Amino acid sequence: DTEVTQTPKHLVMGMTNKKSLKCEQHMGHRAMYWYKQKAKKPPELMFVYSYEKLSINESVPSRFSPECPNSSLLNLHLHALQPEDSALYLCASSYFTGQDSYEQYFGPGTRLTVT
Amino acid sequence: SQQGEEDPQALSIQEGENATMNCSYKTSINNLQWYRQNSGRGLVHLILIRSNEREKHSGRLRVTLDTSKKSSSLLITASRAADTASYFCAFNDYKLSFGAGTTVTVRA
Repeated sequence: DTEVTQTPKHLVMGMTNKKSLKCEQHMGHRAMYWYKQKAKKPPELMFVYSYEKLSINESVPSRFSPECPNSSLLNLHLHALQPEDSALYLCASSYFTGQDSYEQYFGPGTRLTVT
Repeated sequence: SQQGEEDPQALSIQEGENATMNCSYKTSINNLQWYRQNSGRGLVHLILIRSNEREKHSGRLRVTLDTSKKSSSLLITASRAADTASYFCAFNDYKLSFGAGTTVTVRA
């Protein structure tokens, strides 16, 4: 199974809502990532988990809260978002992380709209 | 952290033609990767070339790497409509950093 799954595919939320994005992989990868991608731009890294521990936080606002309950699951909890947070949120995984980067496997993304 | 530059920004070609796109970066790297993204979907890894390699092939893809010029190119030969997508180079400093991307449109 070489697939990364993400749910939901689409999400519309108000600025006062709390919602969560979910990501799952069963490839035995020990590194998992959250990216944010705006239209016609490259993905921007938000968080990296390595061996279920948060290893990189790219100065992401606290209204985004990541969680890695186990080696196969990655969540992104959303609270009090702003309209500018509307974007495609991509999850990815790789065998390991580090300077000698391994190829990353991406999920299809969650299209988030904040109203 | 750096972001790579890619050119051209956009490319429109006829089916069957070749497409070439270039990527440049600023610091030393261990490897460089290319990814494809179909409209509004996740990225798909195409090829990884290590810093001690100069050229690599995968099917209709050919990637070159010139570490002295800090640049890489991706060639897609005999293009098909299904190759219509955005193509990103990516390289690592402390994280995987993506180039700005080249949007390729293959006309039938």
